[in-house]
Amino acid sequence: GENVEQHPSTLSVQEGDSAVIKCTYSDSASNYFPWYKQELGKRPQLIIDIRSNVGEKKDQRIAVTLNKTAKHFSLHITETQPEDSAVYFCAASQGTYKYIFGTGTRLKVLA
Amino acid sequence: DGGITQSPKYLFRKEGQNVTLSCEQNLNHDAMYWYRQDPGQGLRLIYYSQIVNDFQKGDIAEGYSVSREKKESFPLTVTSAQKNPTAFYLCASGSRSGINEQFFGPGTRLTVL
Repeated sequence: GENVEQHPSTLSVQEGDSAVIKCTYSDSASNYFPWYKQELGKRPQLIIDIRSNVGEKKDQRIAVTLNKTAKHFSLHITETQPEDSAVYFCAASQGTYKYIFGTGTRLKVLA
Repeated sequence: DGGITQSPKYLFRKEGQNVTLSCEQNLNHDAMYWYRQDPGQGLRLIYYSQIVNDFQKGDIAEGYSVSREKKESFPLTVTSAQKNPTAFYLCASGSRSGINEQFFGPGTRLTVL
């Protein structure tokens, strides 16, 4: 079946450094790619998303890039802060209503 | 954090019992979803509903059942047929007009004793 691979599973960075999380999807029909942040014991919340007609999108310290040919998309967080510590999930759309989620990346920002 | 609510926050079940998890939304969304989250794994889709009185199985529907009698509500029943039900359950809703953001509820943590 279709799947989304996410790497790395854990990532530790020093405060102020950049963090990059990568995802690969298999469904060539996927056209919407959201990223969610989940703090411990809380609900996932959308932090940024990108559609297939765009190669890059940026929102302050967060950016997402998409390579449709290679079926890769990545989350970039610059100038990381301790409050960025959380689990991040990528997802790819499947059909009109569904997502397939990656397995998550636990990001730790060390002060 | 309003808009979509789940209850209870914590639920304990004895083996052999059915339990029902509540999910309510006031976002006027047509689509609603149930996911299961286990440690170290992503969110896996149990059931989803695009419209009232209609729902489809997701990837791990065995041992679960749902109903969608009202637009605002999408309860999930974890039956005794679900062999390993201890997990964090997340409900979500989304607009039916094309693929868009899904909004998540706060979750229910179910533990089987």
